[in-house]
Amino acid sequence: QVQLVQSGAEVKKPGASVKVSCKASGYTFTSYYMHWVRQAPGQGLEWMGIINPSGGSTSYAQKFQGRVTMTRDTSTSTVYMELSSLRSEDTAVYYCVAVAGPYEYFQHWGQGTLVTVSS
Amino acid sequence: EIVLTQSPATLSLSPGERATLSCRASQSVSSYLAWYQQKPGQAPRLLIYDASNRATGIPARFSGSGSGTDFTLTISSLEPEDFAVYYCQQRSNWPPQWTFGQGTKVEIK
Repeated sequence: QVQLVQSGAEVKKPGASVKVSCKASGYTFTSYYMHWVRQAPGQGLEWMGIINPSGGSTSYAQKFQGRVTMTRDTSTSTVYMELSSLRSEDTAVYYCVAVAGPYEYFQHWGQGTLVTVSS
Repeated sequence: EIVLTQSPATLSLSPGERATLSCRASQSVSSYLAWYQQKPGQAPRLLIYDASNRATGIPARFSGSGSGTDFTLTISSLEPEDFAVYYCQQRSNWPPQWTFGQGTKVEIK
C-alpha cells in the first residue's frame, strides 16, 4: 500500500529556507504525482503545487511562485519541497499527497511536517 | 481563481441527527468536486469525489450531490466519530490547480 513518510519538525528564522522531504514506498515511485498542501495552525488547507516524479515537471500555485521549489530523487523515492524567504505566516503543517494522475483526488497523505518560523 | 465558500462555518448537532453541509463555487466546476474529513492531529481523508462518488471504505451514511456551483455533503445519521472538520475541494484545468473551501466544523451539541 502507498506509504509516505515525511521528515521531522523544523524551526526556522524569518528569511531562512526550509526543505521538507517525503519518502514514498509501496508503489512505483514514478507512477504517482506528488502534491504539497499546507495548513496553518487552526486554519484550512492550502494547495502549494504538484510534481511529476517521472520527469520532474512541476506546477505551483500562483501564491508560491518564486518561493517554492519541488524536486525529486528517484534513487531514494523521495520528493522534496523547499520554501524560501520564510515569514511567520509560513508556520504550518506541510503535507505531501500522492495521486495516481494529475487530476486525481487526494487519496494518500503523508503524516505532515510542522514548520515553525520564529525569531 | 475559483473560490469555494462553505457554509455554515460550524454545525452543532447531536449523534443520530442529519448533517447538511454546503459548498458553493464562484464559477462552475462541473462535477470536479471532492469532500474531505479531518480530525484533530490527523491528515485529511477523502470521502467523496466527483461530487457524488464515495471513496473506498467510506460508509454509506456519507453522500454528496450537486454540480456546477452548488454542492452538498450529507451525513444521514451522525456517528460519534463523524464530529470533525469537513473541506470541499475543486480542481481546474491545465495546468492543474486545486483550491479548498475554508471548512465546516461539525461539533457535538
